[in-house]
Amino acid sequence: DGGITQSPKYLFRKEGQNVTLSCEQNLNHDAMYWYRQDPGQGLRLIYYSQIVNDFQKGDIAEGYSVSREKKESFPLTVTSAQKNPTAFYLCASSMHRANPDNSPLHFGNGTRLTVT
Amino acid sequence: AQKITQTQPGMFVQEKEAVTLDCTYDTSDPSYGLFWYKQPSSGEMIFLIYQGSYDQQNATEGRYSLNFQKARKSANLVISASQLGDSAMYFCAMRDTSNTGNQFYFGTGTSLTVIP
Repeated sequence: DGGITQSPKYLFRKEGQNVTLSCEQNLNHDAMYWYRQDPGQGLRLIYYSQIVNDFQKGDIAEGYSVSREKKESFPLTVTSAQKNPTAFYLCASSMHRANPDNSPLHFGNGTRLTVT
Repeated sequence: AQKITQTQPGMFVQEKEAVTLDCTYDTSDPSYGLFWYKQPSSGEMIFLIYQGSYDQQNATEGRYSLNFQKARKSANLVISASQLGDSAMYFCAMRDTSNTGNQFYFGTGTSLTVIP
């Protein structure tokens, strides 16, 4: 079955360490996204990518980095510069905006990151 | 600027009754898409229903329907015959293709509790 795989489900890190969250999709979607979710704040966009080797900053990109070397993969690195990294991180993908417009975001099951 | 507004942080509904979750949006683009997602306590985001800005009729999917009032820029979700399994967070989202990107904007969500 097609879908989005995020790993690991739970991740624990010490403050000051970089950590990379994995996101893989086999839906053949062009666009991929990373969202951060904190209690009471809904989903906030970190980065998104429309095509391979291209990505754009979202609303809260500071302290994060991404790469898009393959269509299927869009890993997110939470760097030590991110001041409050503890959160629930959701990866998503969608078809290109022009094809068709009603294509929803498909989400992975999320990674819960705890930094102490 | 806030693009999606959900003004009900929490809602309660009696089992088998109907409930309406409010959503208003802001865009100057004539072409946009509106989506509703359900997020159970396990964290995954489940796509429920879609409404296109040019759709003449309100969208329906099983027990879910969307009360789309374009002039008021509202897209309320109606859940009929509520079930205990409907207890979850519900997010309204808008797909905005007016800029260079293909972004989805989310509201802060409504927590729905179904009472037996």
